[in-house]
Amino acid sequence: GENVEQHPSTLSVQEGDSAVIKCTYSDSASNYFPWYKQELGKGPQLIIDIRSNVGEKKDQRIAVTLNKTAKHFSLHITETQPEDSAVYFCAAKIGGSGNTGKLIFGQGTTLQVKP
Amino acid sequence: DAGITQSPRHKVTETGTPVTLRCHQTENHRYMYWYRQDPGHGLRLIHYSYGVKDTDKGEVSDGYSVSRSKTEDFLLTLESATSSQTSVYFCAIARDKTINTGELFFGEGSRLTVL
Repeated sequence: GENVEQHPSTLSVQEGDSAVIKCTYSDSASNYFPWYKQELGKGPQLIIDIRSNVGEKKDQRIAVTLNKTAKHFSLHITETQPEDSAVYFCAAKIGGSGNTGKLIFGQGTTLQVKP
Repeated sequence: DAGITQSPRHKVTETGTPVTLRCHQTENHRYMYWYRQDPGHGLRLIHYSYGVKDTDKGEVSDGYSVSRSKTEDFLLTLESATSSQTSVYFCAIARDKTINTGELFFGEGSRLTVL
């Protein structure tokens, strides 16, 4: 079945450094790749997404890149701040299933930004 | 805020007892989803609904049933809870106007412990 692999599972960086989280997906029909941030005790919230017809998207300090050929996509956070500390999930929309909105999620990355 | 309320937020129960989790939305969107979150597994889809009385299975549906008798409510039932169903359960919706994008909005989660 469809699968999304996410690495690393934990990531610790100093404030001001960059953080990179990587995901690979298996379903070549996937065309939508969102990233969610989950703060402690809360539900995941969308922070950025990218479609398969775009290679890169940026929103202030966060950016996402997509390599369709290799089935890789990555989240880049620059100038990290303590409030970036959270669990991050990548996801891929299940292709070939019509407009059902079903997503397959990666295993999650716990990011710790040390002051 | 997508107007999603989950109840109960916390529940402790014993093996073999039935449990029902409720998801309520205020915006009357068609698509609703139940995910479970476990360490090392990310978020996994249990069941989803695409309208009143219209539901389908996700990747981890065994041991779970759902019902949607009203647009605003999506119920998840564990007929006979087992310890392996100890998890945090998240309800999500996809807004009708953006169903093509794949963006999901999550509730705050329901933490279930089965002893």
